[in-house]
Amino acid sequence: GENVEQHPSTLSVQEGDSAVIKCTYSDSASNYFPWYKQELGKGPQLIIDIRSNVGEKKDQRIAVTLNKTAKHFSLHITETQPEDSAVYFCAASMGETSGSRLTFGEGTQLTVNP
Amino acid sequence: NAGVMQNPRHLVRRRGQEARLRCSPMKGHSHVYWYRQLPEEGLKFMVYLQKENIIDESGMPKERFSAEFPKEGPSILRIQQVVRGDSAAYFCASSPSGVTGYTFGSGTRLTVV
Repeated sequence: GENVEQHPSTLSVQEGDSAVIKCTYSDSASNYFPWYKQELGKGPQLIIDIRSNVGEKKDQRIAVTLNKTAKHFSLHITETQPEDSAVYFCAASMGETSGSRLTFGEGTQLTVNP
Repeated sequence: NAGVMQNPRHLVRRRGQEARLRCSPMKGHSHVYWYRQLPEEGLKFMVYLQKENIIDESGMPKERFSAEFPKEGPSILRIQQVVRGDSAAYFCASSPSGVTGYTFGSGTRLTVV
């Protein structure tokens, strides 16, 4: 089955700096890659996603890049703010082929210091 | 439009008791997924259901765990004879179709004492 690895497990940045979180996946059949933000005591919230026919996608301060050849994808957050502090999860899916299940990475605890 | 509703938010059970976790999907969503999150770990897929059908239960432990999504009412994840290792956060997600449009609930935190 699919396996997703995520690095780093913790990341601390100063407010205004950029943060980058990286994930690799094992199954080349994966074609959908969402990123989730989870705040303490809450469920994961989708912040951005990308499909395998696209190399990069941007939404305001958040961007995701995908390298299908290397089987890795990254989340970039620019101009970080204290409210960006949370746990971020990457995930991969083969879509309907896999019953639409998501395989998650282990998470990155991002701390933005004011 | 209410989001995915899970209840209870917190559940404490003694070893050997049964735990029932409920999930009401978003209006118009017919696909329901259950995931388990152990402390400081990522979410692990358990089961995928559509109305009255289990589509994929490959992530469910073979014993003590069952899930249903009846024609009327919420989806239920049932854990019989709970053990301490079942302590975790259980999240439900729903979507209108397939993997896009996934929305997660706030989870049920199960503690087995």
